[in-house]
Amino acid sequence: NAGVTQTPKFRVLKTGQSMTLLCAQDMNHEYMYWYRQDPGMGLRLIHYSVGEGTTAKGEVPDGYNVSRLKKQNFLLGLESAAPSQTSVYFCASSSGDHQETQYFGPGTRLLVL
Amino acid sequence: GQNIDQPTEMTATEGAIVQINCTYQTSGFNGLFWYQQHAGEAPTFLSYNVLDGLEEKGRFSSFLSRSKGYSYLLLKELQMKDSASYLCAVRRSRSGGSYIPTFGRGTSLIVHP
Repeated sequence: NAGVTQTPKFRVLKTGQSMTLLCAQDMNHEYMYWYRQDPGMGLRLIHYSVGEGTTAKGEVPDGYNVSRLKKQNFLLGLESAAPSQTSVYFCASSSGDHQETQYFGPGTRLLVL
Repeated sequence: GQNIDQPTEMTATEGAIVQINCTYQTSGFNGLFWYQQHAGEAPTFLSYNVLDGLEEKGRFSSFLSRSKGYSYLLLKELQMKDSASYLCAVRRSRSGGSYIPTFGRGTSLIVHP
């Protein structure tokens, strides 16, 4: 099993450009999450999904959109990138069971100039 | 909302014992997780507490007091490889039955010879 994978690993964008980050998991997990991690700020939840076809806003959703068309994939979109979106983005998944553990992808480093 | 507090940084000596504290304020508490994150890597699961008491797993133990909103992670026989960030995450129940964890800002542990 690959676990949770993220594409791309690193990207540089110019302000105003758009991009999509892809997260894939092969553990048949119901729940998937997108976090951003900034120095001194910890992991902050952007959006999450509790099942195929569902999405919900997290703590810092502004400027991002998500889609969960297939159970194994969770896409994070930036329609018009801003320098404030420079961060490391982590995707995670969990089974949704009571004692669920989150499994994290390796992260995507995004630099917006 | 919820507040989660951890010390920003701690240092300890190889072979020693260190205790990393986490305090939280939340409604609908439904479990507390500890994750380890090495620099440049993804967080990985260490422990889970939902009932009061101590959970031991090898060199690592985690304690929870729900009435005090308090947890700690105890690392024994410290090794250089234990130098990492330690993230406390609190899960609370939300409407619809989805359990979404919120992370503290993490404690950076530096182990020196």
